[in-house]
Amino acid sequence: GAGVSQSPSNKVTEKGKDVELRCDPISGHTALYWYRQSLGQGLEFLIYFQGNSAPDKSGLPSDRFSAERTGGSVSTLTIQRTQQEDSAVYLCASSSTGRQGISTRETQYFGPGTRLLVL
Amino acid sequence: TQLLEQSPQFLSIQEGENLTVYCNSSSVFSSLQWYRQEPGEGPVLLVTVVTGGEVKKLKRLTFQFGDARKDSSLHITAAQPGDTGLYLCAGEDYKLSFGAGTTVTVRA
Repeated sequence: GAGVSQSPSNKVTEKGKDVELRCDPISGHTALYWYRQSLGQGLEFLIYFQGNSAPDKSGLPSDRFSAERTGGSVSTLTIQRTQQEDSAVYLCASSSTGRQGISTRETQYFGPGTRLLVL
Repeated sequence: TQLLEQSPQFLSIQEGENLTVYCNSSSVFSSLQWYRQEPGEGPVLLVTVVTGGEVKKLKRLTFQFGDARKDSSLHITAAQPGDTGLYLCAGEDYKLSFGAGTTVTVRA
């Protein structure tokens, strides 16, 4: 079956330009997560969407970062006025419901990521 | 600042040898997950440990969660080249906090 897909797979941009990264979650998954993976660093949580609830934006590093999820499916992460320190792999993940409990741990399925390079 | 510290950062061993990767934190987590990530791909979940002191086995991989639920280890017995990859641990509070990972290379 189709997993999480992301596009583009690679993006090179110039400092100061805006970029949009797309994530198509697994069909039927209501929870969607964005992470950033920098060289030598672990995955850094950015934002979390769960159904129609207000997104958890607590991980966004600055107001240049924003994300939308239209129709509860596809999500777009937008970085405005990109900086060189934004260069990283941006990973998207989805899970069935996003509900977490001691005995019912939701598995997050990750996409292949978008490799962003800001020159 | 990493909530979870993984060691070693890099590990290169010969096929057939054993290896252990460690994941330590000063925080208590409700659960801890281990992932493997291969180049050009996203992380794939290997296991989730929930109970302090829990040990889970997945073929040649053994995962242990510390009694205090602050640390974990991954042990691979008789490593194979297919075990090569970046191993990430992630602690769960209400969201996942990842360590920086251990890059494991198994030479044939």
